[in-house]
Amino acid sequence: GAGVSQTPSNKVTEKGKYVELRCDPISGHTALYWYRQSLGQGPEFLIYFQGTGAADDSGLPNDRFFAVRPEGSVSTLKIQRTERGDSAVYLCASRRGPFTDTQYFGPGTRLTVL
Amino acid sequence: GQQVMQIPQYQHVQEGEDFTTYCNSSTTLSNIQWYKQRPGGHPVFLIQLVKSGEVKKQKRLTFQFGEAKKNSSLHITATQTTDVGTYFCAGYMDSNYQLIWGAGTKLIIKP
Repeated sequence: GAGVSQTPSNKVTEKGKYVELRCDPISGHTALYWYRQSLGQGPEFLIYFQGTGAADDSGLPNDRFFAVRPEGSVSTLKIQRTERGDSAVYLCASRRGPFTDTQYFGPGTRLTVL
Repeated sequence: GQQVMQIPQYQHVQEGEDFTTYCNSSTTLSNIQWYKQRPGGHPVFLIQLVKSGEVKKQKRLTFQFGEAKKNSSLHITATQTTDVGTYFCAGYMDSNYQLIWGAGTKLIIKP
C-alpha cells in the first residue's frame, strides 16, 4: 500500500479485557514506532523496532503493554487487563532510513476503555 | 528528563494574520522536525532542520533552528483556513532513537 495502515480504526472495550492493535508499515521500511496520543498532547513514544527486534521499549508504561514484529513488517501492540487510563489514540509510524529520517504515520487506532 | 517545550498551546488568529509557534529544548538537539496534524487526522511531516541557524521556507511557512540547536520556530504568513490544525515540533537528541515531541500549538482561525 501507499502508506502506513492501522486496524482497527476504532476499538471499544471493557475494563480488564485484552486488545490487539495492528500496524502495517510502508513496504521496505525497517524501522517501526508505536506512539500513544492523548487529547491535546503530542505523541508519546512507546516502543521502537528495527527489523524484528525491539531496539527501545523504554516508553511502554508497564508490563501490561507488549509489542511484537515477528517478521520485520507487521507489528501488533498488545494490551492486557485494559484500564480506563489506556484510552487514547495509538499511532504507528514507519521510517526507511537512518533514525533522523522522516517518520510516516498511520491514521491511528482510537482505543476507548469503558 | 529530556523535554521539548512548545508555546503557545493555542493561537486564535483572523484569517490573513500571521501565526508563530516556538519550541525550546532542555538539551541540544541533533535535528528538529515539524509536523502538522489536522483535526481528526494523524501527524504529517512538514520539514526537518539539521544545521545550527538553519532557515527553511515552504511558501508561506518559515522554519528556523536556533544557533545553539536548542530552539526552533515556525512562522506562517497570512494564514488561510487550510492552515488550521495543530503544529508539533519534535527533536532527536544525539544517540537516541526517540523523537521527543512538543505538546503542539493549535492554530484556530476566527470566523
